[in-house]
Amino acid sequence: LAKTTQPISMDSYEGQEVNITCSHNNIATNDYITWYQQFPSQGPRFIIQGYKTKVTNEVASLFIPADRKSSTLSLPRVSLSDTAVYYCLVGPYTGGFKTIFGAGTRLFVKA
Amino acid sequence: EAGVAQSPRYKIIEKRQSVAFWCNPISGHATLYWYQQILGQGPKLLIQFQNNGVVDDSQLPKDRFSAERLKGVDSTLKIQPAKLEDSAVYLCASSTQGNTEAFFGQGTRLTVV
Repeated sequence: LAKTTQPISMDSYEGQEVNITCSHNNIATNDYITWYQQFPSQGPRFIIQGYKTKVTNEVASLFIPADRKSSTLSLPRVSLSDTAVYYCLVGPYTGGFKTIFGAGTRLFVKA
Repeated sequence: EAGVAQSPRYKIIEKRQSVAFWCNPISGHATLYWYQQILGQGPKLLIQFQNNGVVDDSQLPKDRFSAERLKGVDSTLKIQPAKLEDSAVYLCASSTQGNTEAFFGQGTRLTVV
């Protein structure tokens, strides 16, 4: 399974766009990139998933370059409630959820 | 749609005692996972079930941890005997077969003293 590298922490202010980049140099051909969000005292929550190029949903966008060795989660106009830990996971789409969580990125949104 | 249910939410036990956690996945989800999350770290997969069969238990400390999923629905995770280093949040998650989007419960926070 591909290993991922993310910044340990990031700070932002309300209303700003936040981009969190994840490196996954040894991503396999059949691997997908998935991002999860975790608030204190809660289980992780799925945000977005993609394979290549760009994926957008009501919460975030995911940018994946052609070589797929990295990906960027983009959170538009963050609010205080977006303060959480964000995990980048890389793994195959088959056989269920078979990916490894790293330490994640702790995002602090300030007023 | 009801989410993944776990109980209890909190548990404090003394070392060498035993403890059990219960999980009820989302209805229809064939795949069930148990994770251990130590404070400040990401969740670590302990065991994955597909219906009532074990798919992956490579990171489960089998000398003290056991898990079962009778009838392919609810699951229990047991620790016997517990050690201080088992203090963590134990998360249960479920997903549909072949889907990488997993839904997590709120977890059980275990403190071993």
